[in-house]
Amino acid sequence: GQSLEQPSEVTAVEGAIVQINCTYQTSGFYGLSWYQQHDGGAPTFLSYNALDGLEETGRFSSFLSRSDSYGYLLLQELQMKDSASYFCAVRAAGGGNKLTFGTGTQLKVEL
Amino acid sequence: DSGVTQTPKHLITATGQRVTLRCSPRSGDLSVYWYQQSLDQGLQFLIQYYNGEERAKGNILERFSAQQFPDLHSELNLSSLELGDSALYFCASSAPSGRADTQYFGPGTRLTVL
Repeated sequence: GQSLEQPSEVTAVEGAIVQINCTYQTSGFYGLSWYQQHDGGAPTFLSYNALDGLEETGRFSSFLSRSDSYGYLLLQELQMKDSASYFCAVRAAGGGNKLTFGTGTQLKVEL
Repeated sequence: DSGVTQTPKHLITATGQRVTLRCSPRSGDLSVYWYQQSLDQGLQFLIQYYNGEERAKGNILERFSAQQFPDLHSELNLSSLELGDSALYFCASSAPSGRADTQYFGPGTRLTVL
């Protein structure tokens, strides 16, 4: 099976940079995804890493290291609207297309 | 707005009852996924359908069942409801030619079992 661990909560100030880590145990997967979820809202796709390295999408970047079983989401120029929960997820090889989500990190952006 | 619709938004019912949650995927998407989100279990995959056929199954209880119809909408049936079934139920879809890791989630149905 797969398990993905994330810090439960991270706090940062507006304008800062924050990194949300994801460590995983999985036997094989296609790539690591990141989703954002505001309170009571639907998860929305942010970023995806199929290969090791950094992927940049505007203020958000995501990194994957398969050898270290580790990835992270980097949020730059934090805004109040970035306050939300962030989930890493994997789609396991041979498991259909289901996503297994991490434990989730609640990000609080303060003034 | 992801283009995925779910009804109803809220559902309040009693233990032992049966409910049906409905989902319409984005136009052109053939895959529909159902997820359950509760405080203690996080986001859990339940089941996936692709063009009417069951494709993958997660930790879905025997009391729960789903189907996808020829028009590609899907229904999740929950029966003999228990207090622990109270949760947010999300439906998601993905494009047939796109990457399945990119899933588009509907607004969810909040189920409260009293």
